[in-house]
Amino acid sequence: QVQLVESGGGVVQPGRSLRLSCAASGFPFSGYGMHWVRQAPGKGLEWVAVISDDGISKYYADSVKGRFTISRDNSKNTVYLQMSSLRVEDTAVYYCAKDWRYHGDPRRGYFDYWGQGTPVTVSS
Amino acid sequence: DIQMTQSPSSLSAFVGDRVTITCQASQDISKFLNWYQQKPGKAPKLLIYDASNLETGVPSRFSGSGSGTDFTFTISSLQPEDIATYYCQQYDYFPFTFGGGTKVEIK
Repeated sequence: QVQLVESGGGVVQPGRSLRLSCAASGFPFSGYGMHWVRQAPGKGLEWVAVISDDGISKYYADSVKGRFTISRDNSKNTVYLQMSSLRVEDTAVYYCAKDWRYHGDPRRGYFDYWGQGTPVTVSS
Repeated sequence: DIQMTQSPSSLSAFVGDRVTITCQASQDISKFLNWYQQKPGKAPKLLIYDASNLETGVPSRFSGSGSGTDFTFTISSLQPEDIATYYCQQYDYFPFTFGGGTKVEIK
């Protein structure tokens, strides 16, 4: 069955960097786009970034553009989120999520499987 | 960005009640609307895709309808295990956007 396991979260000071990882299994990873979605404490869901199945196309929410970078290693079935210049408002649980469509346009996707999330706290 | 307005933000109902949640998009999104369930402390789970299609394995008491700008999510007979927050999400326009969520509780 599909499994997505995030790691790398923690407490970090404003302005610092952190890299999240999401290890996938149970499906042909190289055929699917992958997303990151976050949820601030007590708040709703916010889509953050998506990467196409081949890793070429990447798209970001305006709130993180220029600070976050999504990447993937299809040989390791893993997607990453490099977060730089972190702000207090980036504090959230970060979920990775699988796109629903095989070889689909990552800008027209949605999330059919989610990981359990990894918490990130940005605080001085 | 497309704004998704969900209502109510919370509701309380008896076991066995019919529960309805609405989601309104700020512009026409055709059928490209999904519903997710998030239980406390857990990741969201896809329930309904393309406005009215039940994801595999999801109980048939859950249903969705609508198109264009107005959508409805229904639980036909509320069960104790349905306690959760429910979110709508559009994917017709990029970036993807979610509604604010509806917290469902048992009376």
